[in-house]
Amino acid sequence: EPEVTQTPSHQVTQMGQEVILRCVPISNHLYFYWYRQILGQKVEFLVSFYNNEISEKSEIFDDQFSVERPDGSNFTLKIRSTKLEDSAMYFCASRGTSQSYEQYFGPGTRLTVT
Amino acid sequence: GESVGLHLPTLSVQEGDNSIINCAYSNSASDYFIWYKQESGKGPQFIIDIRSNMDKRQGQRVTVLLNKTVKHLSLQIAATQPGDSAVYFCAEMGAGGTSYGKLTFGQGTILTVHP
Repeated sequence: EPEVTQTPSHQVTQMGQEVILRCVPISNHLYFYWYRQILGQKVEFLVSFYNNEISEKSEIFDDQFSVERPDGSNFTLKIRSTKLEDSAMYFCASRGTSQSYEQYFGPGTRLTVT
Repeated sequence: GESVGLHLPTLSVQEGDNSIINCAYSNSASDYFIWYKQESGKGPQFIIDIRSNMDKRQGQRVTVLLNKTVKHLSLQIAATQPGDSAVYFCAEMGAGGTSYGKLTFGQGTILTVHP
């Protein structure tokens, strides 16, 4: 069964450093998402991406965040200058078509900012 | 603003019992609702979904009920098993964003099934 994969599973970085979280969505899916989950809290939407551009973003997704689909396979989330409060699980999700609403989530990357 | 929330943060049941997990939502324009299961250290796993033009949908051992009048969603799990122990989230997709699919998640309910 096709699945979304994410790397790395755990990333530790120092405050102020840049991090790139990587995702490989399900092949042939058209919609891509990043969500985050701070420990013990609910999953929060960050950004959606369709047709090679951001379609929607939340207030969390400020100028420090960016997304890219560099090669038609990978989908990346970059945080330019990490803050302590960026520590969270980051989930990538993908969805097939506009008629199919189900989003498939990856296993997540745990980001720890020290 | 729109929000999705849960009535009960924890639920403990005995193996074999039926479980009911509830969720309230505030966006009356929501078009699509989903229940996700999240096990420790894993991403949300799709369980069942329902469109706003339906009030009930059944899957294998799970049923989702939607009451649009009171903006309430519930997940029923029949014959709960220890493997059902997890955090359960409801999520909604607003009608305004259906073409792009932003999901708004509830707070989550921890289900613990005792053998």
